[in-house]
Amino acid sequence: EPEVTQTPSHQVTQMGQEVILRCVPISNHLYFYWYRQILGQKVEFLVSFYNNEISEKSEIFDDQFSVERPDGSNFTLKIRSTKLEDSAMYFCASSDGQLYSNQPQHFGDGTRLSIL
Amino acid sequence: AQSVSQHNHHVILSEAASLELGCNYSYGGTVNLFWYVQYPGQHLQLLLKYFSGDPLVKGIKGFEAEFIKSKFSFNLRKPSVQWSDTAEYFCAASTGYSSASKIIFGSGTRLSIRP
Repeated sequence: EPEVTQTPSHQVTQMGQEVILRCVPISNHLYFYWYRQILGQKVEFLVSFYNNEISEKSEIFDDQFSVERPDGSNFTLKIRSTKLEDSAMYFCASSDGQLYSNQPQHFGDGTRLSIL
Repeated sequence: AQSVSQHNHHVILSEAASLELGCNYSYGGTVNLFWYVQYPGQHLQLLLKYFSGDPLVKGIKGFEAEFIKSKFSFNLRKPSVQWSDTAEYFCAASTGYSSASKIIFGSGTRLSIRP
C-alpha cells in the first residue's frame, strides 16, 4: 500500500534556527496537510494545501511557518525562527479529496522536532 | 466551532474486559468520523472510519464503533481487550463528502490494560 514518507524522523535544532521538514505524499493525492502533536497533547491541524496554495490554516500557523511544494513529489514545512514551544511531533498527511471515495487522509510516521 | 470531545482521559481495564470509549462531536452538517490509535512512541494508525452508510463500523484488531447521529456520538468498542491494546486512542472528525477537509482530533483517551 502506498505510504506518506517523512524525513528526517528526528530533528534537533537550536532555538532561533530555521528548520525544514520534508514529506513525500502519496503520488496521486492532491491535498496535503501538516499536523502537529506536542508531547502528551492532542493532534492539531496546522495547514492544508491544494493546487499549489494554502486552502486553510489554523491560528497556530503564523508568519513563522510556511509550506511549499517545490517539485512534483515533495511537500515541505518551514519554520523560520524556531522557538522552544515548536518542539513537537509533526505529521504530514495527504488525501485524494475525491467526492464519495470514502478514503481517509493518509498520515506519515512523523518528524520529532526538538528545539534546544 | 467544530470540536471533538473525549470524556475519558485515562481508562484502566483488565485483560478480557469489554471496552467502550466515548466520543462526541459538534458539527452541523455532513460529518466523517475516525478513530486512530497511537501505540507508545509510534505514529498514528487508523482503526476505523465512517463516511456514510451502515452506522456500525468495523475496524482492525476487533474494534468497532457506532455512529449515533441523534446523540452526536461515535463510541469505540471492543468486546475483549488484550494487553497489546495499551495505547492512546484519538477520536477525530472532518466535514463534507470527501477527505479534503481538515481533521479535528479529540484530546485522546489513554488505555492501560492490566495483564
